[in-house]
Amino acid sequence: AQKITQTQPGMFVQEKEAVTLDCTYDTSDPSYGLFWYKQPSSGEMIFLIYQGSYDQQNATEGRYSLNFQKARKSANLVISASQLGDSAMYFCAMRGEGGSEKLVFGKGTKLTVNP
Amino acid sequence: DVKVTQSSRYLVKRTGEKVFLECVQDMDHENMFWYRQDPGLGLRLIYFSYDVKMKEKGDIPEGYSVSREKKERFSLILESASTNQTSMYLCASSSRERPQHFGDGTRLSIL
Repeated sequence: AQKITQTQPGMFVQEKEAVTLDCTYDTSDPSYGLFWYKQPSSGEMIFLIYQGSYDQQNATEGRYSLNFQKARKSANLVISASQLGDSAMYFCAMRGEGGSEKLVFGKGTKLTVNP
Repeated sequence: DVKVTQSSRYLVKRTGEKVFLECVQDMDHENMFWYRQDPGLGLRLIYFSYDVKMKEKGDIPEGYSVSREKKERFSLILESASTNQTSMYLCASSSRERPQHFGDGTRLSIL
């Protein structure tokens, strides 16, 4: 069965610094997709970035990049130049096995950006 | 932009009541999902639907049912609400192999 592990319950970073949020995954399916979502205290889930298992390059979206290491089964989110508004819960997720559209989520990391 | 609208941000109901949570999306997505979110447990899938009148159980379907009579609307039903169903409920929609887009969530309290 698929599994997503986020080992950091909480992280702190100074404003304007970079931070890496860890995500490891487990799957027997050779084709999969990995997602990162942000959830501010207001509750909505915001899609940040996507990496396909066959993508040759690491995904980037503005200040977000995904450090995808397939052999290590890791898909860490890197946020550059942190802003106060980046304080939120961050969830890593994987698309379901066998082409299923379901997502399996990790338990999340709470990021706090300090001024 | 994709818009997923959940009918209530906050809802308070009593034990034993039948509770309906409604979700509407405006992007003609074929897939719709209901999750619940509890502290320390992340998001867990309750049910999802890949087409009108089609549904599949997720990881925690017990005590819940769903209805999808129209493509844009996906309803979650608590047949007889219990206190252990107090939670945050999130609806999402997607088209094939695209990211899921979420509503703002419903914080449901069962007293």
